[in-house]
Amino acid sequence: RKEVEQDPGPFNVPEGATVAFNCTYSNSASQSFFWYRQDCRKEPKLLMSVYSSGNEDGRFTAQLNRASQYISLLIRDSKLSDSATYLCVVNMYIPPGTYKYIFGTGTRLKVLA
Amino acid sequence: NAGVTQTPKFQVLKTGQSMTLQCAQDMNHNSMYWYRQDPGMGLRLIYYSASEGTTDKGEVPNGYNVSRLNKREFSLRLESAAPSQTSVYFCASRGTPQASNNSPLHFGNGTRLTVT
Repeated sequence: RKEVEQDPGPFNVPEGATVAFNCTYSNSASQSFFWYRQDCRKEPKLLMSVYSSGNEDGRFTAQLNRASQYISLLIRDSKLSDSATYLCVVNMYIPPGTYKYIFGTGTRLKVLA
Repeated sequence: NAGVTQTPKFQVLKTGQSMTLQCAQDMNHNSMYWYRQDPGMGLRLIYYSASEGTTDKGEVPNGYNVSRLNKREFSLRLESAAPSQTSVYFCASRGTPQASNNSPLHFGNGTRLTVT
């Protein structure tokens, strides 16, 4: 079983739609959670961190359920520019003083005009 | 404000050739990482360096070596390239000395390597 699992998609949605991505992680020792965005042939870039109480950044809302080991990302009012691959990432502490980051394989989103 | 800089951007090698991928960061980060990304596999950790002077194996270290030259620089070496090492390689860093566990990774632009 993969440590971080995502639906690969693709999700094809019309402009203005709301779309939700889900992610599950297997290691309960995971400490922090992130969503990254990756455009074709580019490096991953941080979209947002995910906090236990849930958090919002404009049209993007992230939720974390530690009991179910589940993370979600909701995009409202989709724009053409949101087309990208969205990567779910968790990190875990590695003694004596750093963190290991584990990536899901990503969910592809295509927003259609 | 360069962030994480990787060189080269593209490279073609023949099987058996060697090369070094360079990575430098100017954010005073303690930890640095090398990942490879292949279609359908996601990003997989090759090696990491928790701090200057230390390096450790990640998920897929075979065929690679690393050097943490100083706090800024972390290089990845392929001693004898194989076609299975054709991939996109990303260097990343995180964590100033004051960083929390919620500190994200910052990535370089990547190196596209083809081994024929």
